[in-house]
Amino acid sequence: QSALTQPASVSGSPGQSITMSCTGTSSDVGSNNLVSWYQQDPGKAPKLLIFEVNRRPSGVSNRFSGSKSGNTASLTISGLQAEDEADYYCCSYGATSLWVFGGGTKVTVL
Amino acid sequence: QMQLQESGPGLVKPSETLSLTCTVSGDSISSTSYYWVWVRQPPGKRPEWIGSIYYTGGSYYNPSLKSRVTISVDRTRNQFSLNLNSVTAADTAVYFCANTYYSNYFDSWGQGVLVSVSS
Repeated sequence: QSALTQPASVSGSPGQSITMSCTGTSSDVGSNNLVSWYQQDPGKAPKLLIFEVNRRPSGVSNRFSGSKSGNTASLTISGLQAEDEADYYCCSYGATSLWVFGGGTKVTVL
Repeated sequence: QMQLQESGPGLVKPSETLSLTCTVSGDSISSTSYYWVWVRQPPGKRPEWIGSIYYTGGSYYNPSLKSRVTISVDRTRNQFSLNLNSVTAADTAVYFCANTYYSNYFDSWGQGVLVSVSS
């Protein structure tokens, strides 16, 4: 069960858009639409941002959006705000890999 | 709104068994929509799924931990529990209980409990 690959860090200025990737394999990310994204503040539990590749739970800002192409999923944050500084994790469910998380991306607002 | 709360010792000796309980409030653990899950996160590292259980008791585990893990459910107490045996320092982590909506996503999380393995 290998971790999904995410960039270690991404940064941007307030108001900009940033995108982070999540690369897996045909056994996980590429096998279905069960990709989700989580935001985690230090010392807190992860919080669901995106599920089923591009769906947002109620209460999550529409500045967060998700997409997928082949074995790579992406999370975009539009109109970057200081409060968006956090760690972001992708997650995939696959029939063989079961639940697997990415290594995490630290977002810094410059 | 569903809430989950972990409980258990914060310090376990090497080779012993780590035992944690998650108490669910605001919803029934017998809900047919959810699996009940344990996830751990070593300091500074990614979350790692440990295993999942359905209210009927059916369970499945991370293959890398399967030989040491047991997850059980107590419907009368609206709780589910984790046992991880033969622990080593590598098992030191924040342990979260959570639920997943079928196999789609992690929905609600407990606040997490730091468990250290040390003599």
